[in-house]
Amino acid sequence: SYVLTQPPSVSVAPGQTARITCGGNNIGSKSVHWYQQKPGQAPVLVVYDDSDRPSGIPERFSGSNSGNTATLTISRVEAGDEADYYCQVWDSSSDHPGVFGGGTKLTVL
Amino acid sequence: QVQLVESGGGLVKPGGSLRLSCAASGFTFSDYYMSWIRQAPGKGLEWVSYISSSGSTIYYADSVKGRFTISRDNAKNSLYLQMNSLRAEDTAVYYCAGNPRFTFAFDIWGQGTMVTVSS
Repeated sequence: SYVLTQPPSVSVAPGQTARITCGGNNIGSKSVHWYQQKPGQAPVLVVYDDSDRPSGIPERFSGSNSGNTATLTISRVEAGDEADYYCQVWDSSSDHPGVFGGGTKLTVL
Repeated sequence: QVQLVESGGGLVKPGGSLRLSCAASGFTFSDYYMSWIRQAPGKGLEWVSYISSSGSTIYYADSVKGRFTISRDNAKNSLYLQMNSLRAEDTAVYYCAGNPRFTFAFDIWGQGTMVTVSS
């Protein structure tokens, strides 16, 4: 089955740029989606189809996807961005197609 | 407003059964593909099962295949998960989540319901 690999943690100072990666075999050929989850809350979609933002998500959140790595970029990081972030793909070639990465804890220093 | 509300969680003994429900409101439920996604305490998200808008296509994670059954009733705007032969490792918060037809991104999530499997 398809595997997505994320770093367990990323730290960044307020106002700087955070980059969270999601690795997978030829992930560039798939659509990647990103979720933000704060403690005790349900996940929230922040980027879908590699680089699109749902309504209400700040422009500071952006995504890219190429080769074997997809990246979620958070510009001008704020304290409120501290959360767990998960990447996700739908592996249509599989009979268990839903795949999440292991998650990355973003810490705002 | 757009909402998914799960119910049916609780404490169950190993080998027992539980049926989760997810009530949808504020959007056209029959247009959405639906999934169950779980999160064990302190762990990441795990996709569990998927059902297409009509119910004609269903998928399961290997970890639950043969034990869990997903279903939906579009007339009642409801999604279900029948869980049998429960194990300790099924202990988790269970979320229902939906994606529109044009993407497999889950843009609607419920608040989750806790399932604890313990003797």
